[in-house]
Amino acid sequence: DAGVTQSPTHLIKTRGQQVTLRCSPKSGHDTVSWYQQALGQGPQFIFQYYEEEERQRGNFPDRFSGHQFPNYSSELNVNALLLGDSALYLCASSLTIFGADTQYFGPGTRLTVL
Amino acid sequence: DAKTTQPPSMDCAEGRAANLPCNHSTISGNEYVYWYRQIHSQGPQYIIHGLKNNETNEMASLIITEDRKSSTLILPHATLRDTAVYYCIVRAEKLVFGKGTKLTVNP
Repeated sequence: DAGVTQSPTHLIKTRGQQVTLRCSPKSGHDTVSWYQQALGQGPQFIFQYYEEEERQRGNFPDRFSGHQFPNYSSELNVNALLLGDSALYLCASSLTIFGADTQYFGPGTRLTVL
Repeated sequence: DAKTTQPPSMDCAEGRAANLPCNHSTISGNEYVYWYRQIHSQGPQYIIHGLKNNETNEMASLIITEDRKSSTLILPHATLRDTAVYYCIVRAEKLVFGKGTKLTVNP
């Protein structure tokens, strides 16, 4: 059973460019959450997608947007890249049920903005 | 903001039990305590979670105090591969990570 997968593994962009990161959830999961982890910090919640809609959002600007597809996979888009967007971007999937839904993380995409 | 307090670092001898404490004095009745760990530059790995009762799985045990204001993650026989940053998270709807505890298991 494949776990959460993310692509690409590494990415280098320049300031002002746009980037799209991809995530495939664990089999049987229907919810995808995205996190940003700067060097030396804990992951910070960006947003969560369920039933192809953004269900929750953290304190991130509108430059960060996402999408969830009918097969539950998801994309994270970041426009007008800044140097400060350099980070490890993590995707986590879960099955939405009443109570706690445990999130399982993928390996992440390392984004470097030059 | 994270609702938990953890020591920034701890050391443990290989083969001994590692006991990682976490304070969450403002926890609400419907909030779960989750533990994850992160080995350098990898995605966080789920360890265990609980609401009121103590929990045990193949990786660890979670002891939650009766007033739910603190908890302890126990790795019964630590190995070198358990060296990681351990995050204690009080969670209602989303995960809010703090800085965690850097556990170093020494040979």
